Amino acid sequence: GQQLNQSPQSMFIQEGEDVSMNCTSSSIFNTWLWYKQDPGEGPVLLIALYKAGELTSNGRLTAQFGITRKDSFLNISASIPSDVGIYFCAGLISLTGNQFYFGTGTSLTVIP
Amino acid sequence: EPEVTQTPSHQVTQMGQEVILRCVPISNHLYFYWYRQILGQKVEFLVSFYNNEISEKSEIFDDQFSVERPDGSNFTLKIRSTKLEDSAMYFCASSASGSGRETQYFGPGTRLLVL
Repeated sequence: GQQLNQSPQSMFIQEGEDVSMNCTSSSIFNTWLWYKQDPGEGPVLLIALYKAGELTSNGRLTAQFGITRKDSFLNISASIPSDVGIYFCAGLISLTGNQFYFGTGTSLTVIP
Repeated sequence: EPEVTQTPSHQVTQMGQEVILRCVPISNHLYFYWYRQILGQKVEFLVSFYNNEISEKSEIFDDQFSVERPDGSNFTLKIRSTKLEDSAMYFCASSASGSGRETQYFGPGTRLLVL
């Protein structure tokens, strides 16, 4: 399957700090998604990106679809304790299918 | 708010046994999916299902796996002869359409442990 590399693998930050994580691949993707997974639960969609260069916000979260279509980043501003979790990027190569490839995940810990 | 549900939440089985994982997708959704997440690793696509047939499957979804929609509400994943490496969290998801632009809603998962 396709390899999506996320960095950093884990982050420990103070409450109130901004967070930035990214996802890169050697393949071109047509859709990028960012999910958050809390322990013992399924992933929950945060942001979806459909066009190269697209910049989309959802509250304190901002994500961008890279111009090369091989990467995406997610920023979280003014982190709060409930931001703790694992963040996954997911990409769709096909224009007609729905097989998403997930990234390796970034584990975020917010210290109050 | 409608949600995807999965049963059981945990399942322990002996190697070689058959297991059936159950999912109830969101009621008006037409596309259904199974994903697997080995402990500490990324989520991996297994299969998508529409109109009573598989629409896409990954290389993980080999002959020991099968999916079925036995009635109007349930969507099941069967593993015929479980192996140790099948131990993982299995997530079901559903979406209103099969477009990549359509949000897939994930269930809470079934944790499978094969001994």
